[in-house]
Amino acid sequence: NAGVTQTPKFRILKIGQSMTLQCTQDMNHNYMYWYRQDPGMGLKLIYYSVGAGITDKGEVPNGYNVSRSTTEDFPLRLELAAPSQTSVYFCATEYGMNTEAFFGQGTRLTVV
Amino acid sequence: QQPVQSPQAVILREGEDAVINCSSSKALYSVHWYRQKHGEAPVFLMILLKGGEQKGHDKISASFNEKKQQSSLYLTASQLSYSGTYFCGTEATNFGNEKLTFGTGTRLTIIP
Repeated sequence: NAGVTQTPKFRILKIGQSMTLQCTQDMNHNYMYWYRQDPGMGLKLIYYSVGAGITDKGEVPNGYNVSRSTTEDFPLRLELAAPSQTSVYFCATEYGMNTEAFFGQGTRLTVV
Repeated sequence: QQPVQSPQAVILREGEDAVINCSSSKALYSVHWYRQKHGEAPVFLMILLKGGEQKGHDKISASFNEKKQQSSLYLTASQLSYSGTYFCGTEATNFGNEKLTFGTGTRLTIIP
């Protein structure tokens, strides 16, 4: 089992460009999350999903969009990239509430 | 709203003990603890459910007081491998608000 796979691992974007960060899991987990982690800081929740077809905003959703058409995939879309979106992005999954969370290896994004 | 951790950072010598605290303004059902090494994804340590339980493995243990909405992580006889940033994650009790939110982090440095 691959667990939680994020692609790409690194990306440099120019201001105003768009991109999609991919997150795929093969553990049949219902809950999926996107977090961002700025240098030396904690994990801030961007969006989350409790199952296919259901998504909701976290603490910092502005500038991002998500979709959850399947249990396995939870892509994060950045429209009109800004320098403030320079960060490391982590995808995480849980089977359900109050269970262990598994993290992908992260995507390091730089917007210049 | 993110749970609050204290202290923000701590430096210990090998063999010393540490306590990391996590508090929330919301009623909690569970508290998670994770450790993140530099440049890596967070890794699960343990989860505590409401009921005032304590857990531990090796020399790392934790307690959860749901009445006070607080949890503490105890590291005894610290080893060099304990260095990293520790995050608590919380899940609230109210149905329809299921999401895993992380604290601000505590950076632990163990020196020989």
